[in-house]
Amino acid sequence: KAGVTQTPRYLIKTRGQQVTLSCSPISGHRSVSWYQQTPGQGLQFLFEYFSETQRNKGNFPGRFSGRQFSNSRSEMNVSTLELGDSALYLCASSIGVPSEAFFGQGTRLTVV
Amino acid sequence: DQQVKQNSPSLSVQEGRISILNCDYTNSMFDYFLWYKKYPAEGPTFLISISSIKDKNEDGRFTVFLNKSAKHLSLHIVPSQPGDSAVYFCAASADTGNQFYFGTGTSLTVIP
Repeated sequence: KAGVTQTPRYLIKTRGQQVTLSCSPISGHRSVSWYQQTPGQGLQFLFEYFSETQRNKGNFPGRFSGRQFSNSRSEMNVSTLELGDSALYLCASSIGVPSEAFFGQGTRLTVV
Repeated sequence: DQQVKQNSPSLSVQEGRISILNCDYTNSMFDYFLWYKKYPAEGPTFLISISSIKDKNEDGRFTVFLNKSAKHLSLHIVPSQPGDSAVYFCAASADTGNQFYFGTGTSLTVIP
C-alpha cells in the first residue's frame, strides 16, 4: 500500500511569489491535513479537508489556502510569500474519523 | 498558546533500559492522543495511540499511559534500542476531526 506522497520535496521561492504544494493521501483515506513545521514553533496545524470540504482550520493568515479533489488528493497554496513562510510543510492522511494520521515526507520550502 | 507540552527537550538512555517520555495537555476536551517518532528531514511516523476511555495501550515495546485527571500522558519504551534515537512528538485532538495539536518534541538518544 503506497504511503502519503508529497510533491515537490524541495522548493525555493522568492518573496512575493506564490507556491502550490501537492499531497496524495493513502488510498481510501478521505481526510487530508496540512501542518507547518518550523524550528521555533514545532508542528502547527494549517487545515484539514474531508470529502472536498474544509473541516478544520488553524490560526494562519488567509494567504494560506487549500483544496481537496474528488480523488482525495489535496493542494495547499501560499500566496505573497514571506521569509517567515520558510518551513517544512507536512501533509497527513487518515480514514476520516479521529484516528492516527500518516504523514508524508514533507515539502521543504525556502523563501529568499 | 501551547495546549500540548513536552517539557523535556532531550533525554538520554542506555541501551536496554526504559525510556519514559512525558507529555502534558491543558484542554480537557482532548480525547484522542498519539505519539509520533520523527527523523530529520522526514515526516513523523505514527507509533501508538490512546483514546480517553482507556488509561493504557501497549504495542510491542511501546506503552502509552494516560492520566486524565492530571492531563498527562507518557510513552514507555522497553527495552530501548539505538534505533529508537529520534525526536518524539505527542499529539492530541478533541473529536473535531483530525486537527491535532502537537507538543514541541523530545529528542531521545539511546546510548549503545
